[in-house]
Amino acid sequence: RKEVEQDPGPFNVPEGATVAFNCTYSNSASQSFFWYRQDCRKEPKLLMSVYSSGNEDGRFTAQLNRASQYISLLIRDSKLSDSATYLCVVNNYAGGGNKLTFGTGTQLKVEL
Amino acid sequence: DTGVTQSPTHLIKTRGQQVTLRCSPISGHKSVSWYQQVLGQGPQFIFQYYEKEERGRGNFPDRFSARQFPNYSSELNVNALLLGDSALYLCASSHQTVQETQYFGPGTRLLVL
Repeated sequence: RKEVEQDPGPFNVPEGATVAFNCTYSNSASQSFFWYRQDCRKEPKLLMSVYSSGNEDGRFTAQLNRASQYISLLIRDSKLSDSATYLCVVNNYAGGGNKLTFGTGTQLKVEL
Repeated sequence: DTGVTQSPTHLIKTRGQQVTLRCSPISGHKSVSWYQQVLGQGPQFIFQYYEKEERGRGNFPDRFSARQFPNYSSELNVNALLLGDSALYLCASSHQTVQETQYFGPGTRLLVL
């Protein structure tokens, strides 16, 4: 089983739609969680951190369920510029260092 | 502020050769991590360095090595290149090691022929 699992998509949605991405992780000792966004042939960029209490940044809402080892990202009112690959990321601390483990990414295409 | 920089941007090598990739972290950041991203996959952790010491190592063969310099820049070396080493190599920096967001550089695209 992969450490971080995501549906690879692609998710093709019309502009203005609401879309949700899900992710599961296998290591129950994981300490922190993120969503990164990666545009084609570019580096990953931090979209937002994910907390158990849930957090919102504009049109984006992230949620963590530690009991189910499940992370979600909700995008409301999708824009063309939201088209990208969304990477679910789990952070584990070990040996005094950080290890980010990435999912394979979920591709989103927002269409007119 | 200058972000994470990496050089070269692109590189073509042949099987069996050796390659050195370079990374300069964001000013003030003391930790550098290296990741390999194969097409269609998420990045995979290779190494993390903090204050010139290795703080983490992923599941990569000994052909992969790295080091960090007193100015916190870092090099990743790959010996005896294989076709499967063709990938985007990403460097990420953070201020410290734990509970810190990592910021990625643009990466080096390595093609092994």
